[in-house]
Amino acid sequence: NAGVMQNPRHLVRRRGQEARLRCSPMKGHSHVYWYRQLPEEGLKFMVYLQKENIIDESGMPKERFSAEFPKEGPSILRIQQVVRGDSAAYFCASSPRGRGEGEAFFGQGTRLTVV
Amino acid sequence: SQQGEEDPQALSIQEGENATMNCSYKTSINNLQWYRQNSGRGLVHLILIRSNEREKHSGRLRVTLDTSKKSSSLLITASRAADTASYFCATAAYSGAGSYQLTFGKGTKLSVIP
Repeated sequence: NAGVMQNPRHLVRRRGQEARLRCSPMKGHSHVYWYRQLPEEGLKFMVYLQKENIIDESGMPKERFSAEFPKEGPSILRIQQVVRGDSAAYFCASSPRGRGEGEAFFGQGTRLTVV
Repeated sequence: SQQGEEDPQALSIQEGENATMNCSYKTSINNLQWYRQNSGRGLVHLILIRSNEREKHSGRLRVTLDTSKKSSSLLITASRAADTASYFCATAAYSGAGSYQLTFGKGTKLSVIP
């Protein structure tokens, strides 16, 4: 049973470009969460999704950021018109049950660098 | 805002010593979890303690929870160089948006010197 798979591991984008981050949850997990981590910081919650539904996006910036978790395929975190401040590590986690009711399994993260 | 706040921010000990990290939080929680992160890697779940539990053990790990003080501690006994990592506490609390928030602190950076 493969773990949570994130790709790419590293992504470099110029200011104004779009960044698409992908996350395949563990097999059998229908709950996906995205977090952002700045250097020397903890993880900041962004969004919680179940298949085809956004459950909680209270941590997502209102503009330029969007997330989806389609019926088929990975979850996608999309950042439009990236700015330098978007540079961070983005982690995806999945769980078989609702968030907070058990452990979350994390991917290795995507390190986004905006130049 | 951060829910869990770890203390100390950094800890350096000799191999074989015990390491204690503390976490304080502000609101009522469903459970509290500890995670470990090696440099540049994802987080690995270590242990979960529910709000009605006071202590839990897993191998060399011992976690305590004091809901009256809104605090938890993680003890790693007989530390090894391989325990060098950042340790995060995460609190699970109802967010009001139909789900629980799993909120992370800034972590404690542990260095175990061989």
